[in-house]
Amino acid sequence: SQKIEQNSEALNIQEGKTATLTCNYTNYSPAYLQWYRQDPGRGPVFLLLIRENEKEKRKERLKVTFDTTLKQSLFHITASQPADSATYLCAPDPGGNQGGKLIFGQGTELSVKP
Amino acid sequence: GAGVSQSPSNKVTEKGKDVELRCDPISGHTALYWYRQRLGQGLEFLIYFQGNSAPDKSGLPSDRFSAERTGESVSTLTIQRTQQEDSAVYLCASSPRATLHSPLHFGNGTRLTVT
Repeated sequence: SQKIEQNSEALNIQEGKTATLTCNYTNYSPAYLQWYRQDPGRGPVFLLLIRENEKEKRKERLKVTFDTTLKQSLFHITASQPADSATYLCAPDPGGNQGGKLIFGQGTELSVKP
Repeated sequence: GAGVSQSPSNKVTEKGKDVELRCDPISGHTALYWYRQRLGQGLEFLIYFQGNSAPDKSGLPSDRFSAERTGESVSTLTIQRTQQEDSAVYLCASSPRATLHSPLHFGNGTRLTVT
């Protein structure tokens, strides 16, 4: 069955460092992969989408990589700030004709200490 | 413009009662999703509507759960004979989904507590 794995343990880092979050998937062939941020008591907010033919995508301090051979996406936040503290969710997106439902990973909680 | 709106924001109900949760999607968004999020857990897919196509109900946990959507507007999620295990935040999202990789826009959810 399809499975999405994200670091289950919270990630604690010091302000200014780079945070790296991992998303692994099995029994999927996603054409895209989406990343979201969720703050306590709020719905997730879309951050970035990367296509299968893109190795890397950047947006300000965010960088996402997508390795379809390893079946893995890495999400990096450079020069992290306490305001980056949140839970980050990945969602492999089949795209194409494989149906429209989007399944999310469990999320990784990031805590950036000043 | 307005985002996805969900009501009520909080609902406390007694075990065995029926509840109805409402979602107003962003105007023009053809796709609408319901997810459940238990405390400290990830998002659990429930149901997906896309335009006039038959909904994908594969995530509904039991026949006590049902959802409707009128055209491309409001959706209601109904839980009959609520159980304590139904306590969770119910999140609704909408998307243009004209292409299948369009991002989802989430509401802030309805927190359901079954006592």
